[in-house]
Amino acid sequence: AQTVTQSQPEMSVQEAETVTLSCTYDTSESDYYLFWYKQPPSRQMILVIRQEAYKQQNATENRFSVNFQKAAKSFSLKISDSQLGDAAMYFCAYRSPDGGGSNYKLTFGKGTLLTVNP
Amino acid sequence: GAGVSQSPRYKVTKRGQDVALRCDPISGHVSLYWYRQALGQGPEFLTYFNYEAQQDKSGLPNDRFSAERPEGSISTLTIQRTEQRDSAMYRCASSLEIGQAYEQYFGPGTRLTVT
Repeated sequence: AQTVTQSQPEMSVQEAETVTLSCTYDTSESDYYLFWYKQPPSRQMILVIRQEAYKQQNATENRFSVNFQKAAKSFSLKISDSQLGDAAMYFCAYRSPDGGGSNYKLTFGKGTLLTVNP
Repeated sequence: GAGVSQSPRYKVTKRGQDVALRCDPISGHVSLYWYRQALGQGPEFLTYFNYEAQQDKSGLPNDRFSAERPEGSISTLTIQRTEQRDSAMYRCASSLEIGQAYEQYFGPGTRLTVT
């Protein structure tokens, strides 16, 4: 079974600075998908960024980028120019590859609570 | 268009009562997932549907939990004889297609408290 580990229960960053959230995962599959979700105080779940394991290029979405290290099974999220609205719980998630009757469920880590200080 | 909706948003029930949680996915979305999120944890998979067919229910904790999606749209998660340990946020998500790398869109959740 796949597992996702977020080793940082809490992180803090100054507004306009950069912060990196860590995520490692364990899988025997060679192809899969990785995601970062944001859960603000409203408790919505919002997709931040997605990475396909077969792609060597790291995904980027505006101020959000990932450092995907497949061999190390590491998938960290970098937030540049942090804003007050970035304050939230961030969850890393894993999804199995397509086909073969896969269950497309997401397996989540326990989350990292990010505080942004003005 | 409207996102995933869930009702009720909050439910307080006494131990031993049955509860039904509703999920209305985004129109046209084929796949529907149920997750449970305990306080301070990430969501955990319960079950999922493609159209009206329940494809996997391996995450349901025990036989007090059941789910249905009879017409391939709205889904209901039912918990019978609720216990205090069932207290959690129950989240529904829908996805446009089966498989592929389509995003799962989450609803706002139902906060269940069993007293």
